[in-house]
Amino acid sequence: GAGVSQSPSNKVTEKGKDVELRCDPISGHTALYWYRQSLGQGLEFLIYFQGNSAPDKSGLPSDRFSAERTGGSVSTLTIQRTQQEDSAVYLCASSPPGGGIKETQYFGPGTRLLVL
Amino acid sequence: DAKTTQPNSMESNEEEPVHLPCNHSTISGTDYIHWYRQLPSQGPEYVIHGLTSNVNNRMASLAIAEDRKSSTLILHRATLRDAAVYYCILRDVAKAAGNKLTFGGGTRVLVKP
Repeated sequence: GAGVSQSPSNKVTEKGKDVELRCDPISGHTALYWYRQSLGQGLEFLIYFQGNSAPDKSGLPSDRFSAERTGGSVSTLTIQRTQQEDSAVYLCASSPPGGGIKETQYFGPGTRLLVL
Repeated sequence: DAKTTQPNSMESNEEEPVHLPCNHSTISGTDYIHWYRQLPSQGPEYVIHGLTSNVNNRMASLAIAEDRKSSTLILHRATLRDAAVYYCILRDVAKAAGNKLTFGGGTRVLVKP
């Protein structure tokens, strides 16, 4: 079946512009995660959605970052007034219902963001 | 939160076994041990997980020390496609924060033909 998809695959923007990154999770998956991978920083958690519960935003690095998940499916990560340090690969993952942290997370291919 | 320690890199010859160690001396009783790997230019993918007993699946085996302070991921016959960064991750079932994956530096595996 179809895996997690993300768009765009690459995005180049100018400092100060806003960007939107999209994630389509695997159909039926109730949990959705955003991570980012920067050179020298490794993979870090940003935000987590589970069903209709309030999202866990504890990993968002600043208030320029926000995310929403519409209808419990597609998610959009928005970065306002982008800075050069926002350059990274942004990864989305989803996991199936059933509860428990034993659930596997399935990752998309990521969006490579470059802020000039 | 409990941390994991892995070697930065390892080399292996094709079709030979690879043993990837992970130390987690501060592991708690509710921590599951997960392994993910990340192939070049791809997102991470799940490999295996366990709690106390050794585990096997089609990708690998996971050997967990009796005191759970260390574990070893075993790739039985490395192929060139197994070249990746392998991450050992603890997930605490007792905490809501255990839903997220906390990645360390991982071990970069190089497979030589």
